Amino acid sequence: DGGITQSPKYLFRKEGQNVTLSCEQNLNHDAMYWYRQDPGQGLRLIYYSQIVNDFQKGDIAEGYSVSREKKESFPLTVTSAQKNPTAFYLCATKPGHNTYEQYFGPGTRLTVT
Amino acid sequence: SQQGEEDPQALSIQEGENATMNCSYKTSINNLQWYRQNSGRGLVHLILIRSNEREKHSGRLRVTLDTSKKSSSLLITASRAADTASYFCATDRTGRRALTFGSGTRLQVQP
Repeated sequence: DGGITQSPKYLFRKEGQNVTLSCEQNLNHDAMYWYRQDPGQGLRLIYYSQIVNDFQKGDIAEGYSVSREKKESFPLTVTSAQKNPTAFYLCATKPGHNTYEQYFGPGTRLTVT
Repeated sequence: SQQGEEDPQALSIQEGENATMNCSYKTSINNLQWYRQNSGRGLVHLILIRSNEREKHSGRLRVTLDTSKKSSSLLITASRAADTASYFCATDRTGRRALTFGSGTRLQVQP
């Protein structure tokens, strides 16, 4: 997990509230990713960014938004439009083109009631 | 969309035994990767095998890839209690700039 910080580790929100999950990296990696993991399931891609000021939707982007204003930061906002936001959220990075291994943060467990 | 499907979903073995996990996928790939996840933690990269490779070793890990069958296997030899974790395959698909993860195999190694 070294070099990638996700805070907080646990987050609780009331239904109808937007919430922003933080992801910061000091690895100088170009690409950053957000995944969602539900209990006993694999990872599903929400958004990804190859460079600053550019990002693309993944497979389950509805109800989420992101920004990439700095290379080090890729915050994810879970909006009230996300119908089932309770999940484990993982941020990952990758050095750049022609590299393949992703590095993961420790994750944030979001509970919405 | 989930590209990879791991088999079995769960595996329980005794320490010292070998553990084999399988992964199937649907489309052409550039490479296939295996990751490990301890409960409630982030994923850790274990090994990558390129589409033109058939077998790769790293310590107690052995990965095979059969592109004609669109399948891969991960073998962990001489397992230890510390190997207890979930293991995921992830495919780097042609034309897609992000990995696609399978549903994972939960491995329990009994001491």
